[in-house]
Amino acid sequence: AQSVTQLDSQVPVFEEAPVELRCNYSSSVSVYLFWYVQYPNQGLQLLLKYLSGSTLVKGINGFEAEFNKSQTSFHLRKPSVHISDTAEYFCAVSDLIERGKLIFGQGTELSVKP
Amino acid sequence: EAEVAQSPRYKITEKSQAVAFWCDPISGHATLYWYRQILGQGPELLVQFQDESVVDDSQLPKDRFSAERLKGVDSTLKIQPAELGDSAMYLCASSFQLRNTEAFFGQGTRLTVV
Repeated sequence: AQSVTQLDSQVPVFEEAPVELRCNYSSSVSVYLFWYVQYPNQGLQLLLKYLSGSTLVKGINGFEAEFNKSQTSFHLRKPSVHISDTAEYFCAVSDLIERGKLIFGQGTELSVKP
Repeated sequence: EAEVAQSPRYKITEKSQAVAFWCDPISGHATLYWYRQILGQGPELLVQFQDESVVDDSQLPKDRFSAERLKGVDSTLKIQPAELGDSAMYLCASSFQLRNTEAFFGQGTRLTVV
């Protein structure tokens, strides 16, 4: 069985400050890792994914994440946030076969203040 | 740009009534997913189709929920009768094939049961 824990339910931050959204996962098998963003009353948009290779993954909108196998973590970072980054962020895992069959965390609400 | 289409975007229904949601996946995508997202939580998979066949409906409350994809293209998710606890966002996603491809999400249907 797989599970995902997002360690912060809400993260308030000022504009142009750096941010880190934390994600830990648990699985008895190897997994792929994803971060999705959801704007109010919208669907999910893929920010980035880790499948293999370099543990530092770069995504859209200036976000990046680092896969740490020993700590079973996949934290999301951005060096300087904008007001437009205000949204809900979801960490998710899948097995190595069916990437569309996702287990999601509870979400982290990022609130960027001017 | 190809998108997953869902309708309606918003639906308000009274408890004990029937309600249905429609999803049209990206053209050519064989795999279709329905997820339910309760407010403040991450999405959870309800049902997965490969073409017209159900691959996984283990989390679908079959006493009141049904899903079909008769021609292997668009899909309908039905709830009858609706209960207050069914209030949620219902997200449809599709992927090109079952294995080794990411899922793309639609905008969702926000259901409110009163």
